[in-house]
Amino acid sequence: ETGVTQSPTHLIKTRGQQVTLRCSSQSGHNTVSWYQQALGQGPQFIFQYYREEENGRGNFPPRFSGLQFPNYSSELNVNALELDDSALYLCASSWGDVGQETQYFGPGTRLLVL
Amino acid sequence: GEDVEQSLFLSVREGDSSVINCTYTDSSSTYLYWYKQEPGAGLQLLTYIFSNMDMKQDQRLTVLLNKKDKHLSLRIADTQTGDSAIYFCAESNNQGGKLIFGQGTELSVKP
Repeated sequence: ETGVTQSPTHLIKTRGQQVTLRCSSQSGHNTVSWYQQALGQGPQFIFQYYREEENGRGNFPPRFSGLQFPNYSSELNVNALELDDSALYLCASSWGDVGQETQYFGPGTRLLVL
Repeated sequence: GEDVEQSLFLSVREGDSSVINCTYTDSSSTYLYWYKQEPGAGLQLLTYIFSNMDMKQDQRLTVLLNKKDKHLSLRIADTQTGDSAIYFCAESNNQGGKLIFGQGTELSVKP
């Protein structure tokens, strides 16, 4: 167990809707990263937050947005859902901002878009 | 660009050694990681190696890094049925905290 928790575990939405996924970091960690894992693929980096500021972003459109709160928990918001957004969404927490810190993953939220 | 490649499948007998291979393209990689993912679960960190090291051993796990060839391997000694899972190789550098993952190698351990 990493101490990283995510909610909900599963979610079904329809195309065009909006979704919010939540992540609680491991105690003592101030950095959270979000990844999208499509079926049969490796995780793809969405973005990272360090001390409530975005610290890096992957190749995802602006309808993917995030927040990090003062307690270092985090949200991933996806607007105007598309069928291809169906995936496992993973968050990972770490300590520090220089991109070399080991990331510990939560169990993920499985999103299905119909 | 950044790319990480892994073979997709590996099948071994219980008690044998497993070797999972990975190649990467980014010469500025600083850390390289191995994660394990069981069905329906998140990623479990197994081990990692800093780019200035050649080898790291941690109980049944041995990581070998050939930085010249950009080749990383994970050896699991005395492989057990509980080791059946998907293994991901990942690299990181100093660019915004992201990990670049391979596609994963599905390890099947037969009794």
